[in-house]
Amino acid sequence: AQSVTQLGSHVSVSEGALVLLRCNYSSSVPPYLFWYVQYPNQGLQLLLKYTTGATLVKGINGFEAEFKKSETSFHLTKPSAHMSDAAEYFCAVSEDGNNRLAFGKGNQVVVIP
Amino acid sequence: DGGITQSPKYLFRKEGQNVTLSCEQNLNHDAMYWYRQDPGQGLRLIYYSQIVNDFQKGDIAEGYSVSREKKESFPLTVTSAQKNPTAFYLCASSMTENTEAFFGQGTRLTVV
Repeated sequence: AQSVTQLGSHVSVSEGALVLLRCNYSSSVPPYLFWYVQYPNQGLQLLLKYTTGATLVKGINGFEAEFKKSETSFHLTKPSAHMSDAAEYFCAVSEDGNNRLAFGKGNQVVVIP
Repeated sequence: DGGITQSPKYLFRKEGQNVTLSCEQNLNHDAMYWYRQDPGQGLRLIYYSQIVNDFQKGDIAEGYSVSREKKESFPLTVTSAQKNPTAFYLCASSMTENTEAFFGQGTRLTVV
């Protein structure tokens, strides 16, 4: 069965500093991997996704993630945090590219001025 | 504007009552989904529908029911059999089950 692990429910980062959110997955087949962002009382917005091909994936708002098969990881990064990045971030996996996603528990990002 | 509309945004019900959450999309999407979100739990799939008049159970379907009589509508009923119905419910849709899913803004259900 597919699953995702996101450690550290709350992540604090200073404005201008690197944002790093870790995601490790478990999948019996080559995975499709996703990062979503959620603002308070809102739905989810897709930041980026990995399907096949290039392992470094660029998304919206300056975020990127790298698929590392050997480490079963798909960590999300942004070089310089902005106040508007304060939100909850979810990593998700799908075993065959469909939308029956398995989500991690999320990281609540707080940006400190 | 095209999008997914969930209504109402906040919903309160007494314990033991059934309640139906609305989800409508005008994106002409074939597939629709219902997820439940609890604090610190991420999202869990309740039901999904790949096409009109067809739907499948997700990971936590017990205590819920759905219908898909129209392409644009996928209502979710939370029945009295659902042990812990208080949660944030998100509806999503996608052109097909393999294309990007778009989410509504959610309904926060509180059962007292």
